[in-house]
Order: sequence, then C-alpha cells, then structure tokens
Amino acid sequence: SYELTQPPSVSVSPGQAATITCSGDAFPKKFAYWYQQKSGQAPVLVIFEDYKRPSGIPARFSGSTSGTTATLTISGAQVEDEGDYYCYSTHPNGNQGVFGGGTKLTVL
Amino acid sequence: EVQLVESGGGLVQPGGSRRLSCTASDFSFGNYWMSWVRQAPGKGLEWVANIKEDGSEKNYVESVKGRFTISRDNAKNSLYLEMNSLRGDDTAIYYCGRVKAAAHIDFWGQGTLVTVSS
Repeated sequence: SYELTQPPSVSVSPGQAATITCSGDAFPKKFAYWYQQKSGQAPVLVIFEDYKRPSGIPARFSGSTSGTTATLTISGAQVEDEGDYYCYSTHPNGNQGVFGGGTKLTVL
Repeated sequence: EVQLVESGGGLVQPGGSRRLSCTASDFSFGNYWMSWVRQAPGKGLEWVANIKEDGSEKNYVESVKGRFTISRDNAKNSLYLEMNSLRGDDTAIYYCGRVKAAAHIDFWGQGTLVTVSS
C-alpha cells in the first residue's frame, strides 16, 4: 500500500522557521496537501496543490516539493501554530486518499 | 458558509453495525466528491472512503473493504457510511469532508465518535 512518511515531531522557538517534510514515491506526479489540526478540533487545510494557500491562511505558511519530498514551512512560527500537521495525497494509481502519520509541532 | 454535520455515532458491540450520516448545506452538494476520514483516539488521520458526485465511483481503504459502504443522496444533500462487522480498531471519530478537485478535502465536519466495545 502507498505510504507518506513524516517525522513524528518538530520543535522550534517562537520566530524560528519550522520545516515539516513528507516523503512519498508519487511526488511530484501527485499533489501534496497539508492540514493543521489543533487539539479537539477538526483539521484545517493550510496548503493545497503543493504550494497554494487557502484564503485566510497566514502568509507564513508555505509549501514546496522537491523530488519525492513535499515540505511545509512555517516562517516565523508562532505559539498559536502548535498542533499536529498532516500531509495528504492521492494514491498514484487511483483516487484513494492517503495521509502521512502526522507531525507534532511544538513552538516554545 | 459551508456546513457539514455528522450524526449516528455511539457505542456499538463488536460485530455490530452502524450507519453514519453527514448533512451538507450552503453549497451544491451534487457537484462535489465527498469523503469519510477517521481518527482513532490519540492517533493520526486515516482516509476511509470517497464517492464521486453521482455515486458512480467509490473508493475504500483496504482495512474497511467489504465491511463499509459509502453512499449519498444528492436530493437530500446527505452522505452516508454504512459500517458492518465492526471491530475494536474501528473506534474513532469519523469526519465527513467535501472533496475539491476530486482530490483533497477542503471543508470538514466536526466529527462523530464511534466506539466499538462490549
């Protein structure tokens, strides 16, 4: 089965850049998407189609891909950015979805 | 504003069945793929299933194939997940999601908790 691999945790100080990676064999053939989930809440889309930001998402959130790795970067991370981040993509041979295992971002 | 409201969660015994519903409002439901995603307690997100706008295509994660059925009623702006032969590892919050560009979820419901336990 197709898998997306993320680091379990990332920790940065406020104002530093936070970088979360997601490895998947189907990148860049398939788009990468990123979701933020805060405790007890539904996920929120922060990046779609590799690098695009939905309206209302701060400009400090950016996405990129290089080879088989997609990257979410939060430039100048803030305490309110703490939470779990999940990459998402679709199966290389169909329309099934797949999530990465999630990365817990700590900003302190 | 797009709204998705799940219902139908609760406690069910192992081997039992449950039907989840998701009612959509404030968008053209019949023009979108829809999806179910679940999250076991303390665990990550797991994509479960999706369904094409007209119901002609359905996809499932391997672990639920043959046990879960996704369906929709566009006249009622509703999405369903029929779950049979439930197991303990099906215990999770089940989220309904609107799928954009037949690819990713752009809006999520708040979820409904299904607990499989005797």
